Amino acid sequence: DAKTTQPNSMESNEEEPVHLPCNHSTISGTDYIHWYRQLPSQGPEYVIHGLTSNVNNRMASLAIAEDRKSSTLILHRATLRDAAVYYCTAGGTSYGKLTFGQGTILTVHP
Amino acid sequence: DTAVSQTPKYLVTQMGNDKSIKCEQNLGHDTMYWYKQDSKKFLKIMFSYNNKELIINETVPNRFSPKSPDKAHLNLHINSLELGDSAVYFCASSQLAGASTGELFFGEGSRLTVL
Repeated sequence: DAKTTQPNSMESNEEEPVHLPCNHSTISGTDYIHWYRQLPSQGPEYVIHGLTSNVNNRMASLAIAEDRKSSTLILHRATLRDAAVYYCTAGGTSYGKLTFGQGTILTVHP
Repeated sequence: DTAVSQTPKYLVTQMGNDKSIKCEQNLGHDTMYWYKQDSKKFLKIMFSYNNKELIINETVPNRFSPKSPDKAHLNLHINSLELGDSAVYFCASSQLAGASTGELFFGEGSRLTVL
């Protein structure tokens, strides 16, 4: 798996967009980029994943740099329920072998 | 109806004891996993099973023995518990087993405390 680096924490106000960055400079050509989030006392929850192209789903958007060495998770309008730890991980070529780093603690202010 | 359920949710035990954590998924997935989350919140894969067969064993001590009686269940048995085994253990499942796994479904975790 590629090593990922994320800021320890970020803050946002409710209803504002949030851009969560992730560096994965050692990513290989076949590694997918996955984002999960974890609310307190819960298991991680899938957010989005992609390989090369930007991806959108009902939860978020994923913007992947052209060289694939970094990506950004975009929450278009943060809500209080989006406060969580967000994990970026790159890998998974074999049977879900994903390693999650410390992640980014997102605080959303009302 | 919980998709991935683990029991027990909390487990407190003494060093040297043997304990088990059970996991069941009702999603019809072929692949199941055990992950360990330490106190610093790092989440790392321990085992992966595909259709009851062990696929990944990430250099976990052999005190840890997973067992998959069928593809909907993956249990984790731990012998001779040590202080360092204290962590939150997450079971997960997925439909696909390769790079495009896409989505892992996690259980709520089992917090193991070894005294």
